[in-house]
Amino acid sequence: GENVEQHPSTLSVQEGDSAVIKCTYSDSASNYFPWYKQELGKGPQLIIDIRSNVGEKKDQRIAVTLNKTAKHFSLHITETQPEDSAVYFCAAPAERGNEKLTFGTGTRLTIIP
Amino acid sequence: NAGVTQTPKFQVLKTGQSMTLQCAQDMNHEYMSWYRQDPGMGLRLIHYSVGAGITDQGEVPNGYNVSRSTTEDFPLRLLSAAPSQTSVYFCASSYGGVQETQYFGPGTRLLVL
Repeated sequence: GENVEQHPSTLSVQEGDSAVIKCTYSDSASNYFPWYKQELGKGPQLIIDIRSNVGEKKDQRIAVTLNKTAKHFSLHITETQPEDSAVYFCAAPAERGNEKLTFGTGTRLTIIP
Repeated sequence: NAGVTQTPKFQVLKTGQSMTLQCAQDMNHEYMSWYRQDPGMGLRLIHYSVGAGITDQGEVPNGYNVSRSTTEDFPLRLLSAAPSQTSVYFCASSYGGVQETQYFGPGTRLLVL
């Protein structure tokens, strides 16, 4: 099955600076990599995802990059704002299919005003 | 649309008691799943369903039971609660599987004494 490792577990950045969270995966056949944001007391919410046929995807201040050779993908948040403070999870399909998702252990991002 | 709803929000059980966590969605999603979230361990898949009448085990199924008699509902049953089942439980749904947006409910916080 898939093994997803996420680093760092905690991250503090000054407001306006950039934040980068990295995940590695084990199954070279994995082809879908979502990122979820969880605010305090709420369920996770998808913020961006990428499929293995592209190397980068952007949505305003958020971007995800994928390196299939090294088997890692990263979340980039630019011009961070206080509302970016949350826990972020990466994920990848647990097996070669569409039925199970393996999540990373999460990164608690704190934006310092 | 209410999206994904979960009840109760919070529950305290004694060891050995049984209970059912309710999950419902009004988006006509075929895929539904249950996760537990523990500190430092991310989200772990308990059980999932790809459609009414079909369920399967995830990563941590022991001590839990599910059924899917309708498209809308996917209850999770704890057969005999143990302190190790103290956790936050999230239900999620999507139209066709894990390689698309998972919509999470607000969670149920369970404490087993």
